[in-house]
Amino acid sequence: DGGITQSPKYLFRKEGQNVTLSCEQNLNHDAMYWYRQDPGQGLRLIYYSQIVNDFQKGDIAEGYSVSREKKESFPLTVTSAQKNPTAFYLCASRQTGGTEAFFGQGTRLTVV
Amino acid sequence: DAKTTQPNSMESNEEEPVHLPCNHSTISGTDYIHWYRQLPSQGPEYVIHGLTSNVNNRMASLAIAEDRKSSTLILHRATLRDAAVYYCILGARTGTASKLTFGTGTRLQVTL
Repeated sequence: DGGITQSPKYLFRKEGQNVTLSCEQNLNHDAMYWYRQDPGQGLRLIYYSQIVNDFQKGDIAEGYSVSREKKESFPLTVTSAQKNPTAFYLCASRQTGGTEAFFGQGTRLTVV
Repeated sequence: DAKTTQPNSMESNEEEPVHLPCNHSTISGTDYIHWYRQLPSQGPEYVIHGLTSNVNNRMASLAIAEDRKSSTLILHRATLRDAAVYYCILGARTGTASKLTFGTGTRLQVTL
């Protein structure tokens, strides 16, 4: 079945370590997005990518990095520079234009 | 970027219609209006989108004001499964990229 997959669902890391969250889609979508969600809050855009090898910063890109080497993959690295990395991270993809976005089930990252 | 404004929360009785409002007074001519909903600990789910004309699908209806500065998501008969956070967002275009910026949404409570 076509869809968007995030892994793992839960992730624990020690403070000061970089961690990479996986996002894969087999929908042949051009655009991919990463969002962060804190408890009781809305989604905030971290990075987005329109095409392979191109991506733009969203509203809260500091402390994060991404790559888009393949159309189907858009991994997010949470670096040690991110002050409050514990959050629920959501990945999405969609075709360009005014069409619906498909979201993964999210990765809940806890940094201790 | 164009912003949206939604009430923080709304309540509805089951089987009653629900009208969820959204203001987007700074919308640009090429912005689509999207609605998504999010259940707890899940990724958002697409509900409906439109540009100028009212839209209907199996989940809901979208009524767009003539000046496009506001819109209303209509759930014709609310059920307990419709209890979620509903987000109204604008599909903005930035250069060649297309952003989806979420606000804080409206938490809909449905009671028996």
